[in-house]
Amino acid sequence: QKEVEQNSGPLSVPEGAIASLNCTYSDRGSQSFFWYRQYSGKSPELIMFIYSNGDKEDGRFTAQLNKASQYVSLLIRDSQPSDSATYLCALKRGSSASKIIFGSGTRLSIRP
Amino acid sequence: DTAVSQTPKYLVTQMGNDKSIKCEQNLGHDTMYWYKQDSKKFLKIMFSYNNKELIINETVPNRFSPKSPDKAHLNLHINSLELGDSAVYFCASSQTGLSSGNTIYFGEGSWLTVV
Repeated sequence: QKEVEQNSGPLSVPEGAIASLNCTYSDRGSQSFFWYRQYSGKSPELIMFIYSNGDKEDGRFTAQLNKASQYVSLLIRDSQPSDSATYLCALKRGSSASKIIFGSGTRLSIRP
Repeated sequence: DTAVSQTPKYLVTQMGNDKSIKCEQNLGHDTMYWYKQDSKKFLKIMFSYNNKELIINETVPNRFSPKSPDKAHLNLHINSLELGDSAVYFCASSQTGLSSGNTIYFGEGSWLTVV
């Protein structure tokens, strides 16, 4: 089982709708979770991080974490064509861990 | 004013050659990384240095050797290149090993193609 699992997509969402991206993880010791966005041919850039159960909102983005279910998600409200990218879920194991482990990403396509 | 810069951005080379990729960060971070992203977009950590000390060394062939002359620089040397080494190599940096929400900043990537 992969440590971080994501559906590779592509996930196609109409402009203005809510895009929902999901991620599950296998290690219950995982403590911090990150969502990165990667445009084609570019480097990953951090969108949000979350380490407490519940929701965390930042503009049009909401990260949701459920440690009991080992599940983290990213919601994008009012999706725009510029949101079309690959979204990488990542985690850090333990409070002193020094590396981030990435999922393989979900490709999101916002259709006008 | 690039925060994490790597060179070269594109590299095409023949099998069996030796090549290096250089990375520099001007963020004042104390931890630097090399990640490899394959054709399926899977981003996998290779090495990490904290204050010039190697702290993460994943299962990577011995042909890959990182070197950190100071905490702002982390270079990657690859010997005897193989076709399977073709990938995008990302350098990254962070402060103090990613405590809490400390973020990791990526360079623009180095596209390596082995022919």
